[in-house]
Amino acid sequence: SQTIHQWPATLVQPVGSPLSLECTVEGTSNPNLYWYRQAAGRGLQLLFYSVGIGQISSEVPQNLSASRPQDRQFILSSKKLLLSDSGFYLCAWRETGAGYGYTFGSGTRLTVV
Amino acid sequence: AQSVAQPEDQVNVAEGNPLTVKCTYSVSGNPYLFWYVQYPNRGLQFLLKYITGDNLVKGSYGFEAEFNKSQTSFHLKKPSALVSDSALYFCAVRAYNNNDMRFGAGTRLTVKP
Repeated sequence: SQTIHQWPATLVQPVGSPLSLECTVEGTSNPNLYWYRQAAGRGLQLLFYSVGIGQISSEVPQNLSASRPQDRQFILSSKKLLLSDSGFYLCAWRETGAGYGYTFGSGTRLTVV
Repeated sequence: AQSVAQPEDQVNVAEGNPLTVKCTYSVSGNPYLFWYVQYPNRGLQFLLKYITGDNLVKGSYGFEAEFNKSQTSFHLKKPSALVSDSALYFCAVRAYNNNDMRFGAGTRLTVKP
C-alpha cells in the first residue's frame, strides 16, 4: 500500500535561518507531488507541484523553493526564513491519471521566531 | 480555471441532528469533486469523491454528498451528527484535464452534545 511521510512534525526556527522540509512517498511510482501551506487553520494555499523528477511548478513567488531530486521525494526549502513563513505545511501526492484525489502527509507546524 | 466556494465559515449542529456542509464549484468541463476532513494539527483525510455515475456518493464515517450539475453544488451531508464529527471540512475540485486541485476555504463544523 502507498504511504506518505512528512517530517519534522514541528519546527521552530529563527528569522533568517534556512529551512528544509522533506516529504517521501512509498508504494507508487511517478506520483504527482504537492506542497501546500495552511495559515491560521483555514484555507490551503498551493505553493509548488511536481509531475516528475526535476519538474517544479511554482504557484506563488516567494522566498521558498522546492526540489524533486528523486521520483518519490519532494523537498521544500528556504535560504532565509521570514516571520510570514510561519504556518502549517502539508505535502500531498496523487496518482497520475483521471479520477484520483490527493493523499496528504501529517503536516509540519513551522514557527518562525 | 477551477474554483470552489464554501459559503459558511462555521456550521453548528446538535448531536443526533442531520448536518449539511455546503460547497459550490466552477470548472470547465466535467468536474472531479472531493471532500476532506481535517482534525487539529493533522493532515487532511479523504472522505469521499465524485468522478462519474450516481450523483449520490457515500463515503467514510457515514458521510455522503450529492452532485448537482445544474446547481454546480456538491454538499456534504450526514443523517445524524456525532460530537466526534467536529472538525474542519474542505471541498475540492479538479478538472478532468488538469493536474492540480483547488480547495475551498474550509468550513468548521461544531457538533454540540
